[in-house]
Amino acid sequence: ETGVTQTPRHLVMGMTNKKSLKCEQHLGHNAMYWYKQSAKKPLELMFVYSLEERVENNSVPSRFSPECPNSSHLFLHLHTLQPEDSALYLCASSRGQGPYYGYTFGSGTRLTVV
Amino acid sequence: GIQVEQSPPDLILQEGANSTLRCNFSDSVNNLQWFHQNPWGQLINLFYIPSGTKQNGRLSATTVATERYSLLYISSSQTTDSGVYFCAFDPQGGSEKLVFGKGTKLTVNP
Repeated sequence: ETGVTQTPRHLVMGMTNKKSLKCEQHLGHNAMYWYKQSAKKPLELMFVYSLEERVENNSVPSRFSPECPNSSHLFLHLHTLQPEDSALYLCASSRGQGPYYGYTFGSGTRLTVV
Repeated sequence: GIQVEQSPPDLILQEGANSTLRCNFSDSVNNLQWFHQNPWGQLINLFYIPSGTKQNGRLSATTVATERYSLLYISSSQTTDSGVYFCAFDPQGGSEKLVFGKGTKLTVNP
């Protein structure tokens, strides 16, 4: 365990379903991130939250909706997804704003959209 | 945007062998880092290496910023070194973002 916990580890959902991914860290970090890792593609940054405010939305479709209720928790709400959204979704946190402070990643949620 | 190329894309080694992984950039990059993703998907930060050389056990990394490349050395490889190795950089300098390369998939056989 790295200190960043993601649940669930695996998720299968239909295109009409609504589900949420959860990320939790108790490392005292104040920045949290969602990354998407698709097969044969580099990791793609989706969202960045710093001090609970969204500071980056990397042109992500509105069917993905992030929520950061406090500095320890980050959610990714999913609705009406497409099969091409199937991927490994990784959460990360860092002590400060920026890679210099080091990233800690969770183990990811493997999402399959059917 | 800045292009990043990792080589080789795939590498198969026997346990005990040494290897060098490379990351080339099309322009100067900031805050370069190396990560290892194990076969179960866990990403671990190996090095923050914007320039110079660092060593951690059997691993070491060197970044030559003026030549726009970085190298990751793995000595006396072990089966637990298997996985995908990514280099990543901050495209805006001082931002929260990381841009990842496509990775080198390493398989270490016993």
